[in-house]
Amino acid sequence: EAGVVQSPRYKIIEKKQPVAFWCNPISGHNTLYWYLQNLGQGPELLIRYENEEAVDDSQLPKDRFSAERLKGVDSTLKIQPAELGDSAVYLCASSSPGGGNTGELFFGEGSRLTVL
Amino acid sequence: AQSVTQLDSQVPVFEEAPVELRCNYSSSVSVYLFWYVQYPNQGLQLLLKYLSGSTLVESINGFEAEFNKSQTSFHLRKPSVHISDTAEYFCAVSVAGGSNYKLTFGKGTLLTVNP
Repeated sequence: EAGVVQSPRYKIIEKKQPVAFWCNPISGHNTLYWYLQNLGQGPELLIRYENEEAVDDSQLPKDRFSAERLKGVDSTLKIQPAELGDSAVYLCASSSPGGGNTGELFFGEGSRLTVL
Repeated sequence: AQSVTQLDSQVPVFEEAPVELRCNYSSSVSVYLFWYVQYPNQGLQLLLKYLSGSTLVESINGFEAEFNKSQTSFHLRKPSVHISDTAEYFCAVSVAGGSNYKLTFGKGTLLTVNP
């Protein structure tokens, strides 16, 4: 079974440029998460989707960050414009129905963003 | 709100030595507790979890953790580590029986096993 796939793995951009990250969850997983991991910190939830609905986006900085999950499968996280402080690893995870409630998340390898 | 404190950012040990990675949590409600592991260049993987029942939980690769409610701790232990256990370990907490699916992670402990 294929795991959670993220791309790109690495991205270097200059500040004020836009950037987008893509995530393909495990087949059948209706819940999708985007987490932010700063250097030396644990992951922090940005947004959670149930199918195509964003049910928790309280931690998403909506002035520059946006996300979508069309058709309830793949998801894209966008930053526009990027700032130096956005340099971090962006993690995507998914869980099966009921799996998220018991902490069984499956993570991708992450997309490491460097903003110069 | 819940919080997690991992007391050691780095733990170096020699192969076949025992190890304990410490985790304390804070919550005003009942919680579920988890340990996730991140091997080099891989995504986080669930190592073990405590939901209810026996306070001692085990993983398939020899790790165990004990939920101690009075100490608000969930320390991870292994009696004899291997080189392949080198990884970053994250303790996490969520509200028991909640529907928000939100995991709160600690900052992680980097376990380095040396030959």
